[in-house]
Amino acid sequence: AQSVSQHNHHVILSEAASLELGCNYSYGGTVNLFWYVQYPGQHLQLLLKYFSGDPLVKGIKGFEAEFIKSKFSFNLRKPSVQWSDTAEYFCAVKGNNRLAFGKGNQVVVIP
Amino acid sequence: NAGVTQTPKFRVLKTGQSMTLLCAQDMNHEYMYWYRQDPGMGLRLIHYSVGEGTTAKGEVPDGYNVSRLKKQNFLLGLESAAPSQTSVYFCASSYEVDTQYFGPGTRLTVL
Repeated sequence: AQSVSQHNHHVILSEAASLELGCNYSYGGTVNLFWYVQYPGQHLQLLLKYFSGDPLVKGIKGFEAEFIKSKFSFNLRKPSVQWSDTAEYFCAVKGNNRLAFGKGNQVVVIP
Repeated sequence: NAGVTQTPKFRVLKTGQSMTLLCAQDMNHEYMYWYRQDPGMGLRLIHYSVGEGTTAKGEVPDGYNVSRLKKQNFLLGLESAAPSQTSVYFCASSYEVDTQYFGPGTRLTVL
């Protein structure tokens, strides 16, 4: 079965700092990967996804993620965070008829 | 389009009571999902459906039942609520096993 692990569950940053969130997956089939974001009090929404092609994927709000097949990783990055990036971030991998989500990274950006 | 809607938004139950959560989507999606979100646990899949009239168990199905009588609706039932079912419940839908669109959530407290 597919699974995802996310590291550094709580991250506190100052504005303008760079952010990188790790995601490692395990799945034997064709890999489709996602990052979702959940802003405080809101529902999850898609940040970006990788299905095939260029392993560097650009998403909304300046986020990007790199798929590295040899490392089974799909890390999320943003060069310069803003206070409005305070949220919980979830990595997910597509499996049989479902997505498997990681436990999330709680990111707090201090103004 | 309303997207994915959930009813109710909040509910307080006593142990042993029953209730049904309703999820509705207007995007003609085949796939629908019920998750629960608990602090530090991420999103855990309860049940899902790959089409009208079908349901399948997810990671944590015990204590819950579901029905998908109409394509646009996916109901989650708790027959005899327990305090361990206190959680935030999210419904999601997708065209295939692709980008999932989430509802606003239902916050359930079981006393």
